[in-house]
This record gives sequence, structure tokens and C-alpha cells, in this order.
Amino acid sequence: DADVTQTPRNRITKTGKRIMLECSQTKGHDRMYWYRQDPGLGLRLIYYSFDVKDINKGEISDGYSVSRQAQAKFSLSLESAIPNQTALYFCATSDLRDPYNEQFFGPGTRLTVL
Amino acid sequence: AQSVTQLGSHVSVSEGALVLLRCNYSSSVPPYLFWYVQYPNQGLQLLLKYTTGATLVKGINGFEAEFKKSETSFHLTKPSAHMSDAAEYFCAVSDWGGTASKLTFGTGTRLQVTL
Repeated sequence: DADVTQTPRNRITKTGKRIMLECSQTKGHDRMYWYRQDPGLGLRLIYYSFDVKDINKGEISDGYSVSRQAQAKFSLSLESAIPNQTALYFCATSDLRDPYNEQFFGPGTRLTVL
Repeated sequence: AQSVTQLGSHVSVSEGALVLLRCNYSSSVPPYLFWYVQYPNQGLQLLLKYTTGATLVKGINGFEAEFKKSETSFHLTKPSAHMSDAAEYFCAVSDWGGTASKLTFGTGTRLQVTL
């Protein structure tokens, strides 16, 4: 009964293709985040959202876009994938009422762009 | 702006030995600090967090960390390593300020536990 789910878990695609990664949560949290993880670089924030009408760029948003379809759903799109977007992508959520912003992570999507 | 530095991208210890993973932070406001663990092929899960109050924080699986403001550190320790502790560990700092809140992560430390 995972609280934060991500689909797909693994994806191989080709340069130039459009791809969407999806995140759903049952925690009832308002805040949702997309990160990418690269070896030696840790987690870097791509986009975040505090409610359905709120979208904010993170530190590495170029080449990505997001959609917050509902409180529980936050999708990440790569309009034209390139090889250096090969990475592990994580979705996370947190409760807007939590002043410390403890975040809860999904299992990740491993994306390979050939 | 916040930042986190984790010294040592790889740490190897023997089973039963002390685990020490180092984390130093930079923050313009009183920090909220976290340690997360990532087991192979899994997402990150919270080990422990420091918000306010007691500076020695105990977490899951026997880990603890001490917040030292004078040293801007939040090192993670465990008295006796177990094989199941092999994972990657991330230190993070929260930039809490009203409703705008993000976590800044360190680059991670991979812990190897040997027999």
C-alpha cells in the first residue's frame, strides 16, 4: 500500500521522443516535488507545486515541464528527450501544515535516453 | 541560500564497527536538518530529523545524529554497523520560510559494510 507511486518504474526511450513520468499519492499532501538523482550529484529539484494552481521551477527545470492535474497527481514531461536526461527520477510529497517540510518519496523511475 | 556538504562519497566499515557519516550545512536561518537513507532500488526514507529542542536526535535502526550549531554539523552515527546498513545516505536542510519550503540535499555517502 505505497503512499507515493510512480509510473513507469523503468523506461528506455530514444533521443527526441516525448515522455511523461507520472506520480500519484494517497497521503493527502498538498506539496509535491520532482527530483532527479545522478551519481555523485545527489538529488536536484526540477519542479515543485503547493497546490493545483501553483507550479514553481526548481534549480534544473530546463528541458522539463510539469502538470498538476489534481491534488494527488503530478506529472513530469520531457518534451524532447536527450541523453543527458538519463537519470533516476523521484517524486516526493509533504504536508503543507508541516513547518519542517519532511518529504515522502516514491520508489523512483529509472529513465534511459539513447 | 542553504547548502549541504557530505564529506566522503564512499565509506567502508567492518560489521560491528562504528559508523560515522559527516554532514556540514550552511543556512541563513535556523536550520531544520534531515538524514534520509536509500536502499538499493528503492526511494528515500527518513532516518531522523532535527527541528528544535534536544540536539541529539535518535532515529530508526539504531542511528542517531547530533546538531552542533558552533560547528554547523549534523553527523550521523551508529555504534555497531550491520550488513543491512549498506545503503546510500543523504543529508538535507530545509529552507522553511512561511509556505515556501524546499529541501537541499547533499551529494550522498554510500556506506559499505564488510565482514
